[in-house]
Amino acid sequence: RKEVEQDPGPFNVPEGATVAFNCTYSNSASQSFFWYRQDCRKEPKLLMSVYSSGNEDGRFTAQLNRASQYISLLIRDSKLSDSATYLCVVIPATSGTYKYIFGTGTRLKVLA
Amino acid sequence: NAGVMQNPRHLVRRRGQEARLRCSPMKGHSHVYWYRQLPEEGLKFMVYLQKENIIDESGMPKERFSAEFPKEGPSILRIQQVVRGDSAAYFCASSTAPGGAGTDTQYFGPGTRLTVL
Repeated sequence: RKEVEQDPGPFNVPEGATVAFNCTYSNSASQSFFWYRQDCRKEPKLLMSVYSSGNEDGRFTAQLNRASQYISLLIRDSKLSDSATYLCVVIPATSGTYKYIFGTGTRLKVLA
Repeated sequence: NAGVMQNPRHLVRRRGQEARLRCSPMKGHSHVYWYRQLPEEGLKFMVYLQKENIIDESGMPKERFSAEFPKEGPSILRIQQVVRGDSAAYFCASSTAPGGAGTDTQYFGPGTRLTVL
């Protein structure tokens, strides 16, 4: 089983739609979680950290479910500019806080 | 405020040649990480360095790959005798420190795309 798994998509949604992605992780002791965004052939950019209590930043909401070992990202009122690949990042507790484990990403296409 | 800088952005090498990839961390960051992204795959951790020290190279292939972060100048990822399978995007990231709220956030450079012919 992969350490971090994501549905590769693509998720094709119309502008204005709400879309959600999940990311599952295998190490129950994982301590830190992030969502990064990667545009085609560009570097990953931090979208948001994921806290135990969940967090929201504008149209984006991230949740952590430790019992089921997954994190989620919800995007409301999708914009064309949201089209990108969304990367889930997990930091396992045993590796030190620097060894990011990336999922392969979920591709989102927002359609006009 | 410059972000993480990498050069070259694109590098073409023939099999058997050497590739040198450079990374200058963000101002104020003393921790550097290298990741490799193969086509259609996620980023994979390669190595973590501080100035003049390799902290963790557990993700580096045992042969042909080396990394350094000298006291002065950028971090260098060196690949000797490149093979076609080395073709990938190599990303460098930096942080202020590997631990503590906010300080371990890694910021990525634009990457170097290596193509081996």
